[in-house]
Amino acid sequence: LAKTTQPISMDSYEGQEVNITCSHNNIATNDYITWYQQFPSQGPRFIIQGYKTKVTNEVASLFIPADRKSSTLSLPRVSLSDTAVYYCLVGASVPYSGAGSYQLTFGKGTKLSVIP
Amino acid sequence: ETGVTQTPRHLVMGMTNKKSLKCEQHLGHNAMYWYKQSAKKPLELMFVYSLEERVENNSVPSRFSPECPNSSHLFLHLHTLQPEDSALYLCASSHTRGHYEQYFGPGTRLTVT
Repeated sequence: LAKTTQPISMDSYEGQEVNITCSHNNIATNDYITWYQQFPSQGPRFIIQGYKTKVTNEVASLFIPADRKSSTLSLPRVSLSDTAVYYCLVGASVPYSGAGSYQLTFGKGTKLSVIP
Repeated sequence: ETGVTQTPRHLVMGMTNKKSLKCEQHLGHNAMYWYKQSAKKPLELMFVYSLEERVENNSVPSRFSPECPNSSHLFLHLHTLQPEDSALYLCASSHTRGHYEQYFGPGTRLTVT
């Protein structure tokens, strides 16, 4: 599994755009990039997933450069309710049979604190 | 009720007790997972079930015993736990094993005294 590196914490004021960058230098050809959000004492929640270029949904945007060695999660106009830990995960999204299996490997994530 | 539910939400047990955690998913998924999240540590995958068959066991001590009677229900039976087993236990499901999008339940906060 590709190792990911992301900042331990970030602070932002309400209404600002927040960009969280994740480094994954040894990403494999079949790997996808997935981001999860976790509030205290709750399970993680899937935010967005992408392979290359840009992906956008109602919650966030994901920017992936051509070399795919990093990715940036962009949260537009954050509010206090966006205070959470954000995890970047890299791995093959296609299930396969046989020995072993793809599994989500969560790192320590980035703790985002939104300030009023 | 929709999504993934877990009961109980909080559990305090002694080291000699036997208890069970329950997870139920209403999403029609074929894979279910147990994770452990200790304070200030990343989530650790414990068990993976695909179509009611255990396909992954990540070196979890035998005092944790999973059970998957059908594709909608998952249990984690606990016995003779240690204080270091105190953690948030999360259940998740996905359409198929290995799918990147997993749906997590709210977790059971377990305290072993």
